[in-house]
Amino acid sequence: EVQLVESGGGLVQPGRSLRLSCTASGFTFGDYAMSWVRQAPGKGLEWVGFIRSKAYGGTTEYAASVKGRFTISRDDSKSIAYLQMNSLKTEDTAVYYCTRGGILGDFDYWGQGTLVTVSS
Amino acid sequence: SYVLTQPPSVSVAPGQTARITCGGNNIGSKSVHWYQQKPGQAPVLVVYDDSDRPSGIPERFSGSNSGNTATLTISRVEAGDEADYYCQVWDSSSDFYVFGTGTKVTVL
Repeated sequence: EVQLVESGGGLVQPGRSLRLSCTASGFTFGDYAMSWVRQAPGKGLEWVGFIRSKAYGGTTEYAASVKGRFTISRDDSKSIAYLQMNSLKTEDTAVYYCTRGGILGDFDYWGQGTLVTVSS
Repeated sequence: SYVLTQPPSVSVAPGQTARITCGGNNIGSKSVHWYQQKPGQAPVLVVYDDSDRPSGIPERFSGSNSGNTATLTISRVEAGDEADYYCQVWDSSSDFYVFGTGTKVTVL
């Protein structure tokens, strides 16, 4: 059974940093791209960024709203994807979901999400 | 950037058919995916690649895509289908994923 479990969320002050983790199980983690998607309170889904599998270079892409502040990385030996968030803003407050990238550009599995609140 | 537009809400009586549209420039040339999100829960993929269903998703959920509009159709609507629905595509020109604005389906 595929499982994705996010951790690391919490309350953080504006301008500070936070790192989220996504621990995967039930599939060969290294074979898949992994994405982060967020949802601000009462709002819709927003794609944050993704990291390709090593077979496709392990490179990353980011939404314009987070580019230069957020960094996605992966440790295939531990089946963990990370989202390093720097220079956090109040508008980054959201539930952050880890998702597995399907081969057709879909997100076929989602974690339960972790809440990040940026507030002074 | 690529934009996907959905109606904010759709209301439907039990047993009837709900149709949720997703508009985008030449969206018919892209692969469209649909997600269902119930309150307090993570989204769930209900249709991928325009019209295919993951295992475990009822046949009542179907999709189509042509021209500038993709459509998610829910037949024989049940109370349990009440949720927010989002369309999504991969924009290869920018290497970005894009979500639609979301549609709240209310079962009357």
